[in-house]
Amino acid sequence: ELKVEQNPLFLSMQEGKNYTIYCNYSTTSDRLYWYRQDPGKSLESLFVLLSNGAVKQEGRLMASLDTKARLSTLHITAAVHDLSATYFCAVGLSGAGSYQLTFGKGTKLSVIP
Amino acid sequence: NAGVTQTPKFRILKIGQSMTLQCTQDMNHNYMYWYRQDPGMGLKLIYYSVGAGITDKGEVPNGYNVSRSTTEDFPLRLELAAPSQTSVYFCASSYFSLSSYNSPLHFGNGTRLTVT
Repeated sequence: ELKVEQNPLFLSMQEGKNYTIYCNYSTTSDRLYWYRQDPGKSLESLFVLLSNGAVKQEGRLMASLDTKARLSTLHITAAVHDLSATYFCAVGLSGAGSYQLTFGKGTKLSVIP
Repeated sequence: NAGVTQTPKFRILKIGQSMTLQCTQDMNHNYMYWYRQDPGMGLKLIYYSVGAGITDKGEVPNGYNVSRSTTEDFPLRLELAAPSQTSVYFCASSYFSLSSYNSPLHFGNGTRLTVT
């Protein structure tokens, strides 16, 4: 069974600071997604990482993937209040004739002015 | 384009009642999914469909049924609602299989269901 663990689950940080969210997974996978969810809203796709060493950046967010360590990171640079949201990683795995995503529990980020 | 549309947005059910959560997408996506999100947890897959007329169980299908008579619609039915089904339900779609290159899920806005 694929297990996906994110940490921290809660993160309160000041504007302008840097921080990293970690996503560990238990089984070899060929892709990893990061999603953002604003309170009471749906999930929005941020990044998809397909290979070892993959790095993607958008604005103040940068995601990377280390398939050997089964680890992805989401790095936040110089946080601003607008980044306050819950961030989920999701890991893909084939099984029983289909391809599924397993989601982590999410990291609730609060950026304090 | 509206994307993925879910109705209703909120619903309160009494134990034992039934209801159907509606989901429709206008992106001509083949793949559709139903997830539930419990407080403080990630999403869990209830059912999915790879095309009209084809559905299959996900991780947590008990207590639910689905149908896919058209490409656009993928309703989720709850029979005999139980408090354990209190959750936020998300419908999602993708054009390709999730195993294809860069095929992220497109989510609806969710249905918040309370069973008391």
